[in-house]
Amino acid sequence: AQKVTQAQTEISVVEKEDVTLDCVYETRDTTYYLFWYKQPPSGELVFLIRRNSFDEQNEISGRYSWNFQKSTSSFNFTITASQVVDSAVYFCALHNAGNMLTFGGGTRLMVKP
Amino acid sequence: DTEVTQTPKHLVMGMTNKKSLKCEQHMGHRAMYWYKQKAKKPPELMFVYSYEKLSINESVPSRFSPECPNSSLLNLHLHALQPEDSALYLCASSPRVAGAGGANVLTFGAGSRLTVL
Repeated sequence: AQKVTQAQTEISVVEKEDVTLDCVYETRDTTYYLFWYKQPPSGELVFLIRRNSFDEQNEISGRYSWNFQKSTSSFNFTITASQVVDSAVYFCALHNAGNMLTFGGGTRLMVKP
Repeated sequence: DTEVTQTPKHLVMGMTNKKSLKCEQHMGHRAMYWYKQKAKKPPELMFVYSYEKLSINESVPSRFSPECPNSSLLNLHLHALQPEDSALYLCASSPRVAGAGGANVLTFGAGSRLTVL
């Protein structure tokens, strides 16, 4: 069985602060994929990143960065210099062969001006 | 065109009504999905269609009836729903259902918010 845990249910920061969203996963498979999706108040889930289990390189995209550590089964997401538009619910998700996406419980991020 | 379009955005129905949710994509994707999302919860998979055939039904009650008339359209027919079925219903699509070779990125629509009275 696979499982994704996002221990932070809600985070509140002030604009321009850096914030890290934690994601810990469990799977017995050696090949798997990890995702982050953003769900703004409008409802749709917006794809942010996909990372396969063999690629532990950290990734940076603008103000977003991801830290993948297989040793601790974590795939954390950092937003640098947060903005009000970053306010949303963020979901970490896991996919392994033969299964569909397993979502974590989500972290609601509130960025205050 | 990289969108998944869902209609209606909001729907209120009584327990005896029959209604349908519609989903459309023109990205050439051959896998389409229905998810149900309750407030403050992650999306839960309901159905998966692969090449217009139902490939996964996650033990969803028969009052929800999916239909895939063609590769661009996905419907969810609703009948005799219960108040606890009130939720956001999300449609998604991907190039194909993921196999052992990899995991596809799902593109989601904005959802249909359903209220059952």
